Amino acid sequence: GEDVEQSLFLSVREGDSSVINCTYTDSSSTYLYWYKQEPGAGLQLLTYIFSNMDMKQDQRLTVLLNKKDKHLSLRIADTQTGDSAIYFCAVTSGGYNKLIFGAGTRLAVHP
Amino acid sequence: NAGVTQTPKFRVLKTGQSMTLLCAQDMNHEYMYWYRQDPGMGLRLIHYSVGEGTTAKGEVPDGYNVSRLKKQNFLLGLESAAPSQTSVYFCASTNHAYSGGGETQYFGPGTRLLVL
Repeated sequence: GEDVEQSLFLSVREGDSSVINCTYTDSSSTYLYWYKQEPGAGLQLLTYIFSNMDMKQDQRLTVLLNKKDKHLSLRIADTQTGDSAIYFCAVTSGGYNKLIFGAGTRLAVHP
Repeated sequence: NAGVTQTPKFRVLKTGQSMTLLCAQDMNHEYMYWYRQDPGMGLRLIHYSVGEGTTAKGEVPDGYNVSRLKKQNFLLGLESAAPSQTSVYFCASTNHAYSGGGETQYFGPGTRLLVL
């Protein structure tokens, strides 16, 4: 079946940039998403990118898509302690807006 | 707008007991989904619905049943709970997709289920 993979953990210093990577297998995925989950909470949409785009910027967030390599990344500039959370990559698969999620990357921000 | 709500927030069951999780959305969304989240595995789709009266199987449907009798509600049932169903369950909803999709899924806060 379709698969989405992410590294499980990332630690950065406050003020640095964070880059979270994701690879996927379904080349027909038309929309690719980044969700954020804070402890004990549901998932909150951060941003998404359409498959015909290479890059999307939204304030401190930059999404890069390499469709040839099926690689998606999320860059968070000037990372703050409030950015500490689990970040999920998700891609559309099989119609009806169904999503395949990665396992999530836990971002830890330290002073 | 409350968005997507889930009840209960937490439940402990004994093996073999049954229960129903309720998801409600007030955004008039057509599509609704039930996921389970397990450590190190992300979210996996259990069942979904594309409209009132319709349901379909997702990636991990075994041991679960669902019903969508009203557009705003999506129920997830466990007929005979097993310890392997210990998980956090999330409901989500989204609008009908036009021209290829891109509609955001809105998530509820989750239900933590422990099966002993």
